[in-house]
Amino acid sequence: KAGVTQTPRYLIKTRGQQVTLSCSPISGHRSVSWYQQTPGQGLQFLFEYFSETQRNKGNFPGRFSGRQFSNSRSEMNVSTLELGDSALYLCASTSRGTNTEAFFGQGTRLTVV
Amino acid sequence: DQQVKQNSPSLSVQEGRISILNCDYTNSMFDYFLWYKKYPAEGPTFLISISSIKDKNEDGRFTVFLNKSAKHLSLHIVPSQPGDSAVYFCAASAGYGGSQGNLIFGKGTKLSVKP
Repeated sequence: KAGVTQTPRYLIKTRGQQVTLSCSPISGHRSVSWYQQTPGQGLQFLFEYFSETQRNKGNFPGRFSGRQFSNSRSEMNVSTLELGDSALYLCASTSRGTNTEAFFGQGTRLTVV
Repeated sequence: DQQVKQNSPSLSVQEGRISILNCDYTNSMFDYFLWYKKYPAEGPTFLISISSIKDKNEDGRFTVFLNKSAKHLSLHIVPSQPGDSAVYFCAASAGYGGSQGNLIFGKGTKLSVKP
């Protein structure tokens, strides 16, 4: 079974630009969550999508948005990039049911210059 | 306000000995807890989990203990191996609607296992 796939692995953008990151969950998983990891803040929850609907949202500004498609693939968009958005962005997929673990992709390393 | 705290940023242990990583939480609604291992520039890898209805879960060399009254959990690795050297994250969830998609992570403990 293929794992969670995130593309691209690395990205360099300029302040003010926008970026779109992609995540393909494990086959059969319908929940996709996004996390931001920075040295100072650790892993922070951005949002979760389930059956194309945003189910949960973390404490991030509106510049961070996402969506999920009917095949459960998800995209995350960050507009008007700031230097502080430089981070490792991780996607996780979860199967149905309670008390199930989230499986993470390798992440997209975004550098804003 | 940190809901999940790992108060030890680092831990160094000799190969073959026990590694004990600790985690405290403040939200009494958390009902599912997980430990992840992470190498630099990679995504976290799931290690072991425990539901709030249990106080212990064991998987090979890894055992997680949960003390709900103290809002504390710990991960024991016995025996520790050099390959266990990584950053370990504790995570918690107040699952609802059949999904554990919203995990609250601690800031991690860097474990170094010396040969």
